[in-house]
Amino acid sequence: DARVTQTPRHKVTEMGQEVTMRCQPILGHNTVFWYRQTMMQGLELLAYFRNRAPLDDSGMPKDRFSAEMPDATLATLKIQPSEPRDSAVYFCASGLRTGPNQPQHFGDGTRLSIL
Amino acid sequence: KNQVEQSPQSLIILEGKNCTLQCNYTVSPFSNLRWYKQDTGRGPVSLTIMTFSENTKSNGRYTATLDADTKQSSLHITASQLSDSASYICVVSWGGGGADGLTFGKGTHLIIQP
Repeated sequence: DARVTQTPRHKVTEMGQEVTMRCQPILGHNTVFWYRQTMMQGLELLAYFRNRAPLDDSGMPKDRFSAEMPDATLATLKIQPSEPRDSAVYFCASGLRTGPNQPQHFGDGTRLSIL
Repeated sequence: KNQVEQSPQSLIILEGKNCTLQCNYTVSPFSNLRWYKQDTGRGPVSLTIMTFSENTKSNGRYTATLDADTKQSSLHITASQLSDSASYICVVSWGGGGADGLTFGKGTHLIIQP
């Protein structure tokens, strides 16, 4: 089965450090999403791309977060500088924008802890 | 304000029993409603997607219903198995129906006991 691959699976670092999370979408999918999940807030959409172009990043704190798709096989989410409140699980999902009702396929997430 | 409320927050049932999870939403304009299953330590997996015109959709032992008039959805699990232990998340799309607008519930944590 084709899968969305996220690396690293776990990351522990000190506040102020730069964090980069990577996502390899399913081959052929043209839409990529970044989500954050915490116990308090549940799942939140941070940003999404279609055909590598950013369409919406209104859910993302732009002073410290940035998301890019350097090519069709790689999406990155970067936090600089990181803060303890950024501790969460970050999910990437990909999908086919052939219609509004296509499912999104999630990776297994990056569990981020900022000390 | 667009909101999705799920109930109960958590539920414990015995293996083999049926259960129903609820999702109420105040989202406009409605595009579709999705149910996801999330195992511990894994990403969510799509169970069903329903549009405005659909009021029932099944995926194996999972059956989702949608009442667009009352803005309610339910997920019914028949003959529960230990592997059904997971969080179940209701997500409502609004606007263009893609990620134009997505509102998430906080999930129902389901535990199946042997």
